Amino acid sequence: AQSVAQPEDQVNVAEGNPLTVKCTYSVSGNPYLFWYVQYPNRGLQFLLKYITGDNLVKGSYGFEAEFNKSQTSFHLKKPSALVSDSALYFCAVGLGGGNKLTFGTGTQLKVEL
Amino acid sequence: NAGVTQTPKFQVLKTGQSMTLQCAQDMNHEYMSWYRQDPGMGLRLIHYSVGAGITDQGEVPNGYNVSRSTTEDFPLRLLSAAPSQTSVYFCASSYSWTGSYSPLHFGNGTRLTVT
Repeated sequence: AQSVAQPEDQVNVAEGNPLTVKCTYSVSGNPYLFWYVQYPNRGLQFLLKYITGDNLVKGSYGFEAEFNKSQTSFHLKKPSALVSDSALYFCAVGLGGGNKLTFGTGTQLKVEL
Repeated sequence: NAGVTQTPKFQVLKTGQSMTLQCAQDMNHEYMSWYRQDPGMGLRLIHYSVGAGITDQGEVPNGYNVSRSTTEDFPLRLLSAAPSQTSVYFCASSYSWTGSYSPLHFGNGTRLTVT
């Protein structure tokens, strides 16, 4: 079985400050990890993925994520937040390369001026 | 490219009614899936398909049927709607069912209310 935990329902950040959205996972085997973003009344959009290789993964819109195997974490980060980054962010895990992803419950990011 | 198209956008059903949620993609994607999104529960996989003629159950399949007669279409059928099926439904597709190089493309969702 595989699972994902996003411990924060909401994260508030001032524009220009760095942001972190947390994700931890549980899977028996090598995980495939993803971040997706959802804007209001829209479907999810792919941000980035970790399959193998470098622990720091860069994605769309200046986002990056750090894979930490010992802490089973895959936190999403951005050095300088924008108001337009305000959205709902989902972490997801897959196993064995399949697209049967298990999603977290989502974290609402609010970036304020 | 239209991407993944879901219809209708909104639907209200009465308990016991049946309906079909439509999903079509024009990207020649091999893999298609249906998720439901509920507050505080994230997205949960209902059914998925790795190609035409092949479907399988996800995490929450009860009360739903699917078929995949063509590569492009993957309709979701509610056999007898129940209030517990009130949710937002998302169809998603990818070029391959192996996610290592093929992220999911999502439609904009169908908001279903069952009274």
